[in-house]
Amino acid sequence: GESVGLHLPTLSVQEGDNSIINCAYSNSASDYFIWYKQESGKGPQFIIDIRSNMDKRQGQRVTVLLNKTVKHLSLQIAATQPGDSAVYFCAAFRDSNDYKLSFGAGTTVTVRA
Amino acid sequence: ETGVTQSPTHLIKTRGQQVTLRCSSQSGHNTVSWYQQALGQGPQFIFQYYREEENGRGNFPPRFSGLQFPNYSSELNVNALELDDSALYLCASSFGGEISGYTFGSGTRLTVV
Repeated sequence: GESVGLHLPTLSVQEGDNSIINCAYSNSASDYFIWYKQESGKGPQFIIDIRSNMDKRQGQRVTVLLNKTVKHLSLQIAATQPGDSAVYFCAAFRDSNDYKLSFGAGTTVTVRA
Repeated sequence: ETGVTQSPTHLIKTRGQQVTLRCSSQSGHNTVSWYQQALGQGPQFIFQYYREEENGRGNFPPRFSGLQFPNYSSELNVNALELDDSALYLCASSFGGEISGYTFGSGTRLTVV
């Protein structure tokens, strides 16, 4: 199976600064990773994904880095805004035929004005 | 195009009762997955339905069961409710093996008293 874990349960960031959220996974066969944002009372919202044949992917204000050697991925949020306050989860599929997403416990990001 | 919708949004049940939660998949999606999210935790995979058949199951007892209908909507049934079943139940839809399109609903908050 797959075990996914986040390094810090909480992160407090000054508005305008960059945020970095880290995640480790256990299964070296994991092929596909997703970062989700979950606001209070809502379901997880897709932020960005990355496949194991890549080491970096960029979106709008977000970058995901994947280090397969140490089985670690990170989410970087540039110029953090108050609307970025939420719980962030990393999740992994074993491969493209895997039906089950394995989630970490989540990092709560609080943006200070 | 509509997203994933779940009903009801909130529910309170008594220990020992049975509950049915409902999910309508996103337009064009034929696969539905159910997750349980306890307070402060990441979602845990319950099972997935594809073409009206169970297509994988997580570590949940048989009193958790489901159905998928010809229109791809789905139900999650839980019998003999226990206090630990109190959680947010999330439904996610996708099209077959296209995991990049995995989309979550906002969930049903179940409280067992």
